[in-house]
Amino acid sequence: DGGITQSPKYLFRKEGQNVTLSCEQNLNHDAMYWYRQDPGQGLRLIYYSQIVNDFQKGDIAEGYSVSREKKESFPLTVTSAQKNPTAFYLCASRPTQGEKLFFGSGTQLSVL
Amino acid sequence: QKEVEQNSGPLSVPEGAIASLNCTYSDRGSQSFFWYRQYSGKSPELIMFIYSNGDKEDGRFTAQLNKASQYVSLLIRDSQPSDSATYLCAVKNGSSNTGKLIFGQGTTLQVKP
Repeated sequence: DGGITQSPKYLFRKEGQNVTLSCEQNLNHDAMYWYRQDPGQGLRLIYYSQIVNDFQKGDIAEGYSVSREKKESFPLTVTSAQKNPTAFYLCASRPTQGEKLFFGSGTQLSVL
Repeated sequence: QKEVEQNSGPLSVPEGAIASLNCTYSDRGSQSFFWYRQYSGKSPELIMFIYSNGDKEDGRFTAQLNKASQYVSLLIRDSQPSDSATYLCAVKNGSSNTGKLIFGQGTTLQVKP
C-alpha cells in the first residue's frame, strides 16, 4: 500500500534532549511538509521541501531542523531550543502536479 | 487579524439537519480553498477543494466560494453522527507554487442523534 508512515506514534522528550520524528513516503511525491498542531488549533507549517537536498523554513521553524537526503524521507528533529514542544506533529506530501496533501498518521510528542 | 479564520464552535446540529461551516481569509490573492475533516487524534482528510466562485457539490457536501467577500463555506446535508469531527479550512496563495497551505483553527461539529 502506498502512503506516508510516521513513527513513533507517541514520543516523550526529556528536558535538554533532541528527538527525531520519522516520516517516510512511498508515493513518489517530490514535496513534503511538517506541520505542528496544538490542542484546539489548526496546523502550522514548520518546514517544507520541494525537492531532494532542499528545504525551506515555514512559519514556526525556530527550534526545529530537517533534512531531505532521500526523496522518500523527511525527518524532523525537535531540538532543545524548542521550549514548548508538546504538540501533535503531522507529516504530509504532495505530488508535483497535484493540490491534495497526503497526511501521515501523526506523532504525539510530550515532555517528561 | 488571522490569515484564515473559523469559528471554533462547537457547532451542534441534530441528525438529519444541514450543518453550515464558515471560513474567512485575508489574502485576496488566494486561489485554492480546501476543507479537511479531522477526527480526534487522527490526521486530516480532504473532503473538498474549490477554485472558482460559486458552489461545488460532492454527495452530501457542498463547498461555496465568494472571493469578493473572501469567504468559503461548507454545507453538510443530512448530517450524521459520524460527521462529528473538526473541520479545517485551508487556503493556498495563488502566487506560490510551493503547495503551502494556511489552515484555520478548525470548527468542531457535533451531530446529535
